[in-house]
Amino acid sequence: EAGVVQSPRYKIIEKKQPVAFWCNPISGHNTLYWYLQNLGQGPELLIRYENEEAVDDSQLPKDRFSAERLKGVDSTLKIQPAELGDSAVYLCASSDPQGPNEQFFGPGTRLTVL
Amino acid sequence: GIQVEQSPPDLILQEGANSTLRCNFSDSVNNLQWFHQNPWGQLINLFYIPSGTKQNGRLSATTVATERYSLLYISSSQTTDSGVYFCAVREGGADGLTFGKGTHLIIQP
Repeated sequence: EAGVVQSPRYKIIEKKQPVAFWCNPISGHNTLYWYLQNLGQGPELLIRYENEEAVDDSQLPKDRFSAERLKGVDSTLKIQPAELGDSAVYLCASSDPQGPNEQFFGPGTRLTVL
Repeated sequence: GIQVEQSPPDLILQEGANSTLRCNFSDSVNNLQWFHQNPWGQLINLFYIPSGTKQNGRLSATTVATERYSLLYISSSQTTDSGVYFCAVREGGADGLTFGKGTHLIIQP
């Protein structure tokens, strides 16, 4: 069974440029999460989706960040415009709401903003 | 929100040694997971253990939910065990996992 897939793995951009990250969850996992991990810290939740509905986006900086999961499967997280402080690893996770609530993570996208 | 504290923050051991990593949390949880983040950044699921004891090869974990702590045991350490070990919890009604700051483990040959 394939795990959570993310792309790209690495992205380097200049500040003020837009950037997008893509995530495909484990097949059958209706719950999808985006997390942000700063260097030396644990991941922090940005947004959670149940199917195509964002059920909690309170931690998402809405002035520059947006996310979508139009068909309830894969998801895109966008930053526009990027700032220097956005340099971090962006992780996607998924879980089966009918199962034991265990979350599985993708390999992440490491963003560097110059 | 819930607080998660991990100890020790750093641990350096020789190959073959045993270790115990601790996770304390400040409130009741309905999910507790241990992860190993390898040098490439991938979070690898070790245990889903909101309560009780589990074992998987050289690793085992115990969560005492009533006392709000969990322990991860690593026996006969190997250099490939190096990395950061995270404890993450989810309290009732919360949307995602709350992570501790991790234990950075270095296993020297």
